[in-house]
This record gives sequence, structure tokens and C-alpha cells, in this order.
Amino acid sequence: GAVVSQHPSRVICKSGTSVKIECRSLDFQATTMFWYRQFPKQSLMLMATSNEGSKATYEQGVEKDKFLINHASLTLSTLTVTSAHPEDSSFYICSASLAGGRGEQFFGPGTRLTVL
Amino acid sequence: SQKIEQNSEALNIQEGKTATLTCNYTNYSPAYLQWYRQDPGRGPVFLLLIRENEKEKRKERLKVTFDTTLKQSLFHITASQPADSATYLCALDLNYGGSQGNLIFGKGTKLSVKP
Repeated sequence: GAVVSQHPSRVICKSGTSVKIECRSLDFQATTMFWYRQFPKQSLMLMATSNEGSKATYEQGVEKDKFLINHASLTLSTLTVTSAHPEDSSFYICSASLAGGRGEQFFGPGTRLTVL
Repeated sequence: SQKIEQNSEALNIQEGKTATLTCNYTNYSPAYLQWYRQDPGRGPVFLLLIRENEKEKRKERLKVTFDTTLKQSLFHITASQPADSATYLCALDLNYGGSQGNLIFGKGTKLSVKP
């Protein structure tokens, strides 16, 4: 149980284009999902907390107009990197926690974004 | 300033030995501390969670301790196997339970178990 999927697993795009990453909870409903970014040999950095049916809460320093988050249903959240640049190249990972759970998070497999 | 540190970037041990990983933090008061395993190019996988009022938690070959006075958690893998080779992340949960977890992650320790 508590499986989270992400799509795509890997994407290469040209500078200036937009990329959408999907995060799905497969066997549970996730009222809250989290988006992280991880650079090589660095810790996971929380970008935003996504709540179903409401606006996402962004961490300090994360541009909400650049990283658009939509959590339209209890099983799907999307992250769109708009006008991507090479410095946006990173490993993007989503997670979800169970309502009433102990606080552990269930992570997707991640999406490797490379912007040329 | 607030910091979370994992004792070493890499740890190499021989198969069958006990691996001990350390997580230290300053200027936080976490309600929970969690440990995750991350394989290369993959998302983290939850292993164990320990509450601030618990001293020790076990799960099969894994053991976690939590000392809020020392502000330290130790993560042990007994009878280590090459399949245990991965990066292990500690994470502080600052939200006192519930689903709105706000996790602060360490950089991780890369464990290599040699046969």
C-alpha cells in the first residue's frame, strides 16, 4: 500500500520550454502532497506543499510563477516548470502522506529533468 | 542557525558487521525523527519513525535511537548485507504529527557493504 508514481521518469528539454511532471497516489487518497528538488550530493529541499482543491504553499525562495502546482484531485498533483533554464536541471521528487498517519511520507520514484 | 548533520558522507563496512549512522541537529525541537533509504536515481523509502518520548525503535535488523538531550539519533543495521548499500537520510518532523508533515532532511550517508 501507499504507492506513489511519477511521470515522466526522465525528461530532456530545450531552454525556454515548459515541462509538466505528474505525481499520482495509486492506492490511497492524498489530501496533501509535497514537491522536493534534489541536486547531486545534496539533501532534499522542499519546494512546496500541495493541498487538494487549494493553492499550494511555497517555501521561501521558490518562485510560484515559475513552478506551477496543481492538485486537482485527491490522487493527482502536477508540477509545471515554466520557461525552464539549465539551472532548473535537477531531480524532482513528489511525496504524499496518509491522512491520520504518523507523518511518514511516501515518495515517488522521481523525475530527472535536464534542460539544454 | 538551524542545522541537521549526518556524521559522514560515506561509510564502508564489511558484510556481517553492524553499520552505525549518526544524525545530529541543532536549534530544532522535532516531535519525530524519521529515517529513509534512497537508492541512486530513486525516491526515498520510509524505514523508521521515532517519537521524541521514545528512546529506541526496532524493525527487523534496523534499530534507531533518539536522544533529545544530545540532539542526536543513531541508526543501526545489524548483520549488514551488500543489499543494504544505499544512501540513508534522516529527517526531522517539526509538525508534531498529522499529515501536514514538514520534514527537514539531512544530506545523507552513503553506506557501502563489501562482501
